[in-house]
Amino acid sequence: AQSVTQLDSHVSVSEGTPVLLRCNYSSSYSPSLFWYVQHPNKGLQLLLKYTSAATLVKGINGFEAEFKKSETSFHLTKPSAHMSDAAEYFCVVSDQNYGQNFVFGPGTRLSVLP
Amino acid sequence: DTAVSQTPKYLVTQMGNDKSIKCEQNLGHDTMYWYKQDSKKFLKIMFSYNNKELIINETVPNRFSPKSPDKAHLNLHINSLELGDSAVYFCASSQPGTARTGELFFGEGSRLTVL
Repeated sequence: AQSVTQLDSHVSVSEGTPVLLRCNYSSSYSPSLFWYVQHPNKGLQLLLKYTSAATLVKGINGFEAEFKKSETSFHLTKPSAHMSDAAEYFCVVSDQNYGQNFVFGPGTRLSVLP
Repeated sequence: DTAVSQTPKYLVTQMGNDKSIKCEQNLGHDTMYWYKQDSKKFLKIMFSYNNKELIINETVPNRFSPKSPDKAHLNLHINSLELGDSAVYFCASSQPGTARTGELFFGEGSRLTVL
């Protein structure tokens, strides 16, 4: 079975400082991994995805994530936080062997302080 | 032109009523989903259809019944609404790849409030 753990339910950073949102996954096969962002009262938007051999994945708005198979991790980073980054972030795992089932982590709320 | 659209966006109703939420995607995807997001923002899959065929049916009360008239539409009907059904319901679609999973495309969500 697949599962996702997001180690921090809430992360608070100052504007201009780095962001690190942690994600660990469990999957029996080679997974696809995603990060989605949800701004207040909005739908979910794809930030980036890992589906190939390139382990460092770049996404929109300066975010990137590194797939580390040995650590079963897919942490999300950004060098410099912006006020507009304040939102809920979800790490997602999927595997075609599970019938296209996308399993969401519990989410991490990112606050950005001025 | 919205890729995945859901209606209505807001729904306020009384306990015991029956309501439906409609979803349409114009991306040509084969697979569609319904997710429920609770008050703690946790997203849980409810159903998934691939080309009109049910492929994922999680532990959901049988008061919830999905219907897929064609692969571009997946509607959700809820009978005898309960207070605990209050949530945001998201429709999504994806296109399975030959080797890897395609990503999910989400609608804007339908906020259901049961009084």
